[in-house]
Amino acid sequence: EVQLVETGGGLIQPGGSLRLSCAASGFTVSSTYMSWVRQAPGKGLEWVSVIYSGGSTYYADSVKGRFTISRDNSKNTLYLQMNSLRAEDTAVYYCARVLRYFDWLSPEQGAGYYMDVWGKGTTVTVSS
Amino acid sequence: EIVLTQSPGTLSLSPGERATLSCRASQSVSSSYLAWYQQKPGQAPRLLIYGASSRATGIPDRFSGSGSGTDFTLTISRLEPEDFAVYYCQQYGSPPDGTFGQGTKLEIK
Repeated sequence: EVQLVETGGGLIQPGGSLRLSCAASGFTVSSTYMSWVRQAPGKGLEWVSVIYSGGSTYYADSVKGRFTISRDNSKNTLYLQMNSLRAEDTAVYYCARVLRYFDWLSPEQGAGYYMDVWGKGTTVTVSS
Repeated sequence: EIVLTQSPGTLSLSPGERATLSCRASQSVSSSYLAWYQQKPGQAPRLLIYGASSRATGIPDRFSGSGSGTDFTLTISRLEPEDFAVYYCQQYGSPPDGTFGQGTKLEIK
């Protein structure tokens, strides 16, 4: 069964650091793209970061320079290192598998991506 | 930066009715980039539609997606009680910027 399980959330003071983990089963993290998405209390979804199978990484402007996405292929686990945390980083953090979509009948549309498997999330609260 | 605006913010309908949810982009978006997700309280999002109109595995055929350019639509042909939830559209292309819309809450009338 394909599954993602996030851990590592908790209460942290502003300016602190936290590392989230996302353990995958049923597929290989290194062979696909993986993303982090967060949801502040009562708010919508916010894309945070992606790591490509080749290792390239990208971030939302709101976390660039503070968060680092990585993976450990031997543990089949995705990580999100979060530094210089702010109150506005308070959210449920989800990891998700990202698949590529390409319509060969409409190649001019290019390739898009979508998240087909999600973990249940881990809660991060930044507060003094 | 592409902004996705979903409407209406809240949609009140009864089971058996047809639901039409809109997602408008601030600039043209490839249809390959557009996906729809369903989220119920306390749960993770669930993929419904990708590539604007392709149903994800296990998604009932009462869910359909359409649109192109700046206007995309998620249609639920006959609402079932389990369909009442929040729905998000997302555009996710390259370079990666997985912007979500703000969501439409579908509630029971």
